[in-house]
Amino acid sequence: DAMVIQNPRYQVTQFGKPVTLSCSQTLNHNVMYWYQQKSSQAPKLLFHYYDKDFNNEADTPDNFQSRRPNTSFCFLDIRSPGLGDAAMYLCATSGDRVNTEAFFGQGTRLTVV
Amino acid sequence: GESVGLHLPTLSVQEGDNSIINCAYSNSASDYFIWYKQESGKGPQFIIDIRSNMDKRQGQRVTVLLNKTVKHLSLQIAATQPGDSAVYFCAERPNGQNFVFGPGTRLSVLP
Repeated sequence: DAMVIQNPRYQVTQFGKPVTLSCSQTLNHNVMYWYQQKSSQAPKLLFHYYDKDFNNEADTPDNFQSRRPNTSFCFLDIRSPGLGDAAMYLCATSGDRVNTEAFFGQGTRLTVV
Repeated sequence: GESVGLHLPTLSVQEGDNSIINCAYSNSASDYFIWYKQESGKGPQFIIDIRSNMDKRQGQRVTVLLNKTVKHLSLQIAATQPGDSAVYFCAERPNGQNFVFGPGTRLSVLP
């Protein structure tokens, strides 16, 4: 059973048109992450939530925003997608314990046209 | 479209042979390490983890070795199968902070 669910799996958006990607989890984990992964590269952390506390990575562009209305859901908003934002976006969760793995969703492949 | 990505290091092994994938980590304060497997078009999948108070941990067909002296991590896969073909990432976690992923290695299993 899927524990971290991302929708949609594939998203096509127009250059400059706002787009939202969604993630839900059934694990009741405190921490939720958003990663960007480009072709043949490692996942790059954009930001994460610890409960309701939002933590932005220093090099994440302002174009990327996130919302976490409750424990189960987290959204990634791209305000004005550019061609360079085409990538796989991965959501992950982890529990409270320090040394615990992160569980990943299947990702959303974003195409910008 | 996407920017041109880096060429991933590739390891090609014969089906049935053992595979060894290596990873150099950067932060001496890292105390927790994970190996992830990522198949094409899918999210990373947990394989095995190890804490810094250990130097070896075994799972089903997989073994992780940790050498803190030289900051090196390796993943050994016994009797490699076609289904093992994927990109493998090591990830380190310094002092409970966020995971930092290594660059990845593509494992290609030859029939």
